[in-house]
Amino acid sequence: GNSVTQMEGPVTLSEEAFLTINCTYTATGYPSLFWYVQYPGEGLQLLLKATKADDKGSNKGFEATYRKETTSFHLEKGSVQVSDSAVYFCALSRSGPNDYKLSFGAGTTVTVRA
Amino acid sequence: DGGITQSPKYLFRKEGQNVTLSCEQNLNHDAMYWYRQDPGQGLRLIYYSQIVNDFQKGDIAEGYSVSREKKESFPLTVTSAQKNPTAFYLCASSTGAQPQHFGDGTRLSIL
Repeated sequence: GNSVTQMEGPVTLSEEAFLTINCTYTATGYPSLFWYVQYPGEGLQLLLKATKADDKGSNKGFEATYRKETTSFHLEKGSVQVSDSAVYFCALSRSGPNDYKLSFGAGTTVTVRA
Repeated sequence: DGGITQSPKYLFRKEGQNVTLSCEQNLNHDAMYWYRQDPGQGLRLIYYSQIVNDFQKGDIAEGYSVSREKKESFPLTVTSAQKNPTAFYLCASSTGAQPQHFGDGTRLSIL
């Protein structure tokens, strides 16, 4: 079945450091891949997405590339800020006709210190 | 502004009691979803509905029930059969292959 494995946290960084959160997936077919972000006490917000192999999603300085050969979708940001402190979830859509349910990774808590 | 509204933000349940969590969306989305979030476990799908008057069980439906009488509403009832209901519950909606939009969640605790 479809599943997502992401890097365990928590991750603690200093401001302006480089952030990488690893995400690998197992899926049949050609799923779409997503990164969602959750700030304390809130729901999830879509951060970026990619719908096919070699697509690069980007938003707010974050990037992730859909790598079919390594079944990966790692999230990166070159210079983090305190406001990037949040929980990050990697997710994939379960492929199938009219089937857009998501499978989520366990989430990675990121704390950025000034 | 269009969005998803979940209420209440905090909810307390007594033993043997059923409680209902509200989810309303004004995005005109066809599909709606309920997830449960526990620390360190990510989100798990409870129920989902792709059209009005139809819904399907997700991965952890036992102890929960839903209805979808209107396109914009998808309430979740946590029944007394759910033995470990303490969690953060998130509602989402989407249309077609577009990404899901999430509400701000309801935190359910046991008295």
